[in-house]
Amino acid sequence: EADIYQTPRYLVIGTGKKITLECSQTMGHDKMYWYQQDPGMELHLIHYSYGVNSTEKGDLSSESTVSRIRTEHFPLTLESARPSHTSQYLCASSEWETQYFGPGTRLLVL
Amino acid sequence: DAKTTQPPSMDCAEGRAANLPCNHSTISGNEYVYWYRQIHSQGPQYIIHGLKNNETNEMASLIITEDRKSSTLILPHATLRDTAVYYCIVRVANYGGSQGNLIFGKGTKLSVKP
Repeated sequence: EADIYQTPRYLVIGTGKKITLECSQTMGHDKMYWYQQDPGMELHLIHYSYGVNSTEKGDLSSESTVSRIRTEHFPLTLESARPSHTSQYLCASSEWETQYFGPGTRLLVL
Repeated sequence: DAKTTQPPSMDCAEGRAANLPCNHSTISGNEYVYWYRQIHSQGPQYIIHGLKNNETNEMASLIITEDRKSSTLILPHATLRDTAVYYCIVRVANYGGSQGNLIFGKGTKLSVKP
């Protein structure tokens, strides 16, 4: 069983607020990923990292930013939340080919 | 990465085998076939993967045709808890660069019925 955690699980916030979604894993994996998924739709990769101080943008353009200062943590930040950011955000990590996903954060921006 | 084609939905009776097909006719020789599933908007869960040989683990079996243009995921005795969206993904086993990233499609929504 994979040990990857996301907080908060649910977040309702007003437009213009700055938010940070936390993701941490205790498996020592170098690779970590953030996906965005709207209800009933496919997952889209928005950010990934191959190790400390490495971050790359994914296939779907996103106004969010990420950082990777420590192997275990891969936080995602929205400087100014908008209703269009309402979605589910899923974090994952991998050592080789298999990705392990966290439970996700459901974000609602009013 | 090669694209995959899956039926949008399937039904299966509880206790019977669920056979989920996937077409990947443009797969390259160095691309693996991966299967993940997602239960009701939880994070996706890895099931199994293979290159050209059939594979089996405690969750499922993966049958890949000899020409590798299609595969079938088999859940031998489906239960209600197997109701989920099943994703078939092909990708290069490359640990550097974006070629190693997964590309999720719409998947197959499997409904296991009592």
